[in-house]
Order: sequence, then C-alpha cells, then structure tokens
Amino acid sequence: DIQMTQSPSSLSASLGDKVTITCRSSQTITPYLNWYQHKIGKAPELLIYAASTLQTGVPSRFRGGGSGTEFTLTISSLQVDDVATYYCQQSYSTPYTFGQGTKLE
Amino acid sequence: QVTLRESGPVLVKPTETLTLTCTISGFSLSDARMGVSWVRQPPGKALEWVAQIFSRGDKFYSTSLKTRLSISKDTSKSQVVLTMANVDPADTGTYFCTRIFGDAFSSLDFWGRGTLVTVSS
Repeated sequence: DIQMTQSPSSLSASLGDKVTITCRSSQTITPYLNWYQHKIGKAPELLIYAASTLQTGVPSRFRGGGSGTEFTLTISSLQVDDVATYYCQQSYSTPYTFGQGTKLE
Repeated sequence: QVTLRESGPVLVKPTETLTLTCTISGFSLSDARMGVSWVRQPPGKALEWVAQIFSRGDKFYSTSLKTRLSISKDTSKSQVVLTMANVDPADTGTYFCTRIFGDAFSSLDFWGRGTLVTVSS
C-alpha cells in the first residue's frame, strides 16, 4: 500500500495568514494526488485533484502544487470559513489511501 | 444534481454482519467514467478508504479489511451495497459513500452525508 504522510498534524493560524500543508507519499504518484476539506458534522469536500486542479466552486485562495512524492496545499489568505481538517489522498493505485489529516484552527 | 445517500443500521452487535446501502442519483452506475467508493471515519480519527466498485464491475478493497468485505452494485436500482462480516467495536464510525470520477483522476468528487454505525453488545 502507498503510505501518505501529512505535516503538520495541526496548525494554528490567524485571519489573513498564508498557510501551507505538506503531503508526502511513499512512492511516486504524480499527478494522482487529491485534497479534501472536512468540517465537523459535514461531508468532506474535494478541493483539488490531480495535484493542482481546483475543483469547481472552490475559492482561488486554495492552491495545490508538487509532484513525485511531495505535494503542498496552500491557502493564500486564511478565512474563518477555512477552519477544518484537511486530508490528502492518492488515487494512483488501490487502496486509495489518505493522509492522517491536518487540523487547521 | 449528483447526490449519494447512505442507509443502514445504527447499531450492530460484535460478530454480526453489517450491510450498508448507498443510493445514488444524478449519475449512472453504468457510466464508464464513474465508480462508487466507501470511506469511513472512526470517532476522532482520520478518514480511511474502505472499498470501491467501478461501472465495469471491478472491485477493490482495503488491505486490512478485505477478508471481511464485499461490495456490489445494482445498476437498475442505482445502489451500491457494502457488507462487512464479523464486525468489531473498532469498526464503529461514520461511513460515507462517494462518487469516483475517472475524468478527474479518480478523485472523490461527491460525498454522501454519512451514516454513523456503532458496534456494541
């Protein structure tokens, strides 16, 4: 199985801050890397697929990057609505494993 | 409008078999670009991919759970069924069904609201 490791596990930031979350895979998965936002009590939502493609309707302050085994999710200017847990996931090969999540406060 | 809705028991006893149903609308299980997956989240823990099935009928399972899982689809009913045998309290959690969109690099682009399953005697 491909292992996905996110860092940090939790992150505290202020309104307007630039925030970056890193996701590393145990083998090359380019470009099959997706990012999800999960708010408490709601279903997770797809933010970015193929490492850097913004899902329809997602604000442009979210940006995905990276290749190979290292990927990033950047929020350019943090908003109150961005408080959530963020997960990376690889869809390169089954099982489609998730990272352990980054809780953003 | 794409929707997915999970249904199944709220409480299951240890060693019993859990059966969950995902009813979809807004897309077809016969569409070659589509599939359905199950993802679960134990209380306070991370998302865990469980199983998936594609329109062609290809099935894939979590390595750690595969001996207890079975996934199937009924295209005419627009339903995907997940069964998990011999459940344990560690299987307690919220179970989500999701759409897999092949045109978006097999990302999970739509999710159901989830159903909470508790395994307890």
